[in-house]
Amino acid sequence: ETGVTQSPTHLIKTRGQQVTLRCSSQSGHNTVSWYQQALGQGPQFIFQYYREEENGRGNFPPRFSGLQFPNYSSELNVNALELDDSALYLCASSIVLAGQETQYFGPGTRLLVL
Amino acid sequence: AQKITQTQPGMFVQEKEAVTLDCTYDTSDPSYGLFWYKQPSSGEMIFLIYQGSYDQQNATEGRYSLNFQKARKSANLVISASQLGDSAMYFCAMREENYGGATNKLIFGTGTLLAVQP
Repeated sequence: ETGVTQSPTHLIKTRGQQVTLRCSSQSGHNTVSWYQQALGQGPQFIFQYYREEENGRGNFPPRFSGLQFPNYSSELNVNALELDDSALYLCASSIVLAGQETQYFGPGTRLLVL
Repeated sequence: AQKITQTQPGMFVQEKEAVTLDCTYDTSDPSYGLFWYKQPSSGEMIFLIYQGSYDQQNATEGRYSLNFQKARKSANLVISASQLGDSAMYFCAMREENYGGATNKLIFGTGTLLAVQP
């Protein structure tokens, strides 16, 4: 049990729509990262938030945006959905244990774009 | 460019035997961390083990050990005494400790699907 939860678990949208995915982590987890995992691939880094500000971004267009809130929850927003956005979206929060910062992942949200 | 390579798309192992999952990496950064994650069919990525680039000893966590060969840029995962519950996708990942401000960015390989047979 990582203490990281995501909602919804599954979602179906149509092309052109907008979607918001949510993640909640434990108190003290100041950093949250979002990843996209297409079928048969490893996760790809979308962006990271630290203390409510984006401080790193992967190779994703601006229609992927996010928010982090003071209560350790966060959102991933995707506008103008495309068929290729169909994937498993994972959020991960970071905690330092024994001097090592490790990312713990939530169960993910499976998004299908039709 | 930073890259993780996992050359084994799938592996079979008999229950109670040991298995090695291969991982090679490429980076020019002298400071980095290597991770292994397990992903069951449910989708959640489960952290297994970590190895820092400056660690002198190979990491171990229960039945998991990491065979770290820095000169060869390899970080193979060894699972001893395989169990049926070990059947899952396994991902090797790297974090460059000096990546701009986002020190937590993980770069993943394409994964190895492990099937443990009774």
